[in-house]
Parts: sequence; C-alpha cells; structure tokens
Amino acid sequence: SAVISQKPSRDICQRGTSLTIQCQVDSQVTMMFWYRQQPGQSLTLIATANQGSEATYESGFVIDKFPISRPNLTFSTLTVSNMSPEDSSIYLCSVERGASYNEQFFGPGTRLTVL
Amino acid sequence: GQQVMQIPQYQHVQEGEDFTTYCNSSTTLSNIQWYKQRPGGHPVFLIQLVKSGEVKKQKRLTFQFGEAKKNSSLHITATQTTDVGTYFCAALRGAGSYQLTFGKGTKLSVIP
Repeated sequence: SAVISQKPSRDICQRGTSLTIQCQVDSQVTMMFWYRQQPGQSLTLIATANQGSEATYESGFVIDKFPISRPNLTFSTLTVSNMSPEDSSIYLCSVERGASYNEQFFGPGTRLTVL
Repeated sequence: GQQVMQIPQYQHVQEGEDFTTYCNSSTTLSNIQWYKQRPGGHPVFLIQLVKSGEVKKQKRLTFQFGEAKKNSSLHITATQTTDVGTYFCAALRGAGSYQLTFGKGTKLSVIP
C-alpha cells in the first residue's frame, strides 16, 4: 500500500483568497486523483493528474478554479482559487495502486472552511 | 455518465444484528470496489470484485457481485461497534478507465 500525506490538514480561509493543497506519496505513482467530499456526502472526482501532462478535469470543474500541478511521480498540488463559502469541503488526493490493480489509496484529506 | 446507486442511505442496527448495503447500476460494470470511511477518516479500500457471481469474504464481511455484473452487496454479520462508518461502492467507468464513480454511501450506526 502507499502512504500518502496531505498539507495542510485543515484551514480556514477568507473568501476571495486561494489555498494550495499538497499531496505527497511515499512511492512513485503514475496517476493521482483529486476529490472533493462535502460533509456527509460522497466523493466527487475533480481531476486526474498524470506526471508530464495537463490534468484532466471532470465536468463542472475547470482549471482556472482548480489548477493542478504534477511536477514528479510522488507529488501533486491542488489550488482552490478565488474561494467562496461554497468551496468549503474536504479535499482528498488518492493514488492508484498500479500494476493492473485498480484500487485507490487516499490521503487523510484537507478540511477547508471558507468564511 | 455512469451512475452507481447505493441503498440505504442510513442504517441503524443494534450491536450483533446483521447489516447489508446494496449497489446497483443500469449498465454492466467491469468491476466493483468497496471502501469504508470511518467518522473523521478517509476512505479505505476493502475489496474489489471482478467476476460475474463472485463472492468474497473477509471475516464477518461478505461481498457479492451479481451474475449480470450490474449489482453488488456488502453484508456484515453480527455487527460490532468497530463497524461504524460509511460504506461506499465504487466502479470503474469502463474498460481501460482509471477513474472511479462512487455511490452515495451507506452510513452505518451501531447501537451498543
């Protein structure tokens, strides 16, 4: 299994500001995923981040709002830009186990509150 | 896009009772995965089912994949307080896809 860390674990931000969330994996992985989970809700995929290429965004999510970096095979960042209270949520990164295994390992999440 | 419907949304059981959550799709699934999320925690992978009619067991947990590969279930025998959490099913979007579509989850409460 992969060990995944996220920073920050939580933050309270003012509307109109931006927050960058970091995701670090203890091994090299091809695919990383960013999800949003609103309180009591399911997981919604924001984008898929592959090293060396532009992230692929899901319907309803755009790069200007959620820019993603993937500089190497162990690290990715998600920025939540120009935040509003509606962006308050838990943001999770995950990685696929790889080698024909499809299960995903999740980071501990970043709890974001926008005032 | 592909949707995975999961029921019930909530389930309250007395400790020692059994629990089942169901996952259904209108389309044939290549596989189905199950995750558990403890309160305040992150989703943790439990199991993956791939074959039609497949049944897998993990101690008190029994996972089934329907013959038509359109439905799945997770059954817990004799629940314990440690089983508390939300159980999600998730399915790959299609052959060759790496993205998962998650069900809405079933939140299990166990009354001691």
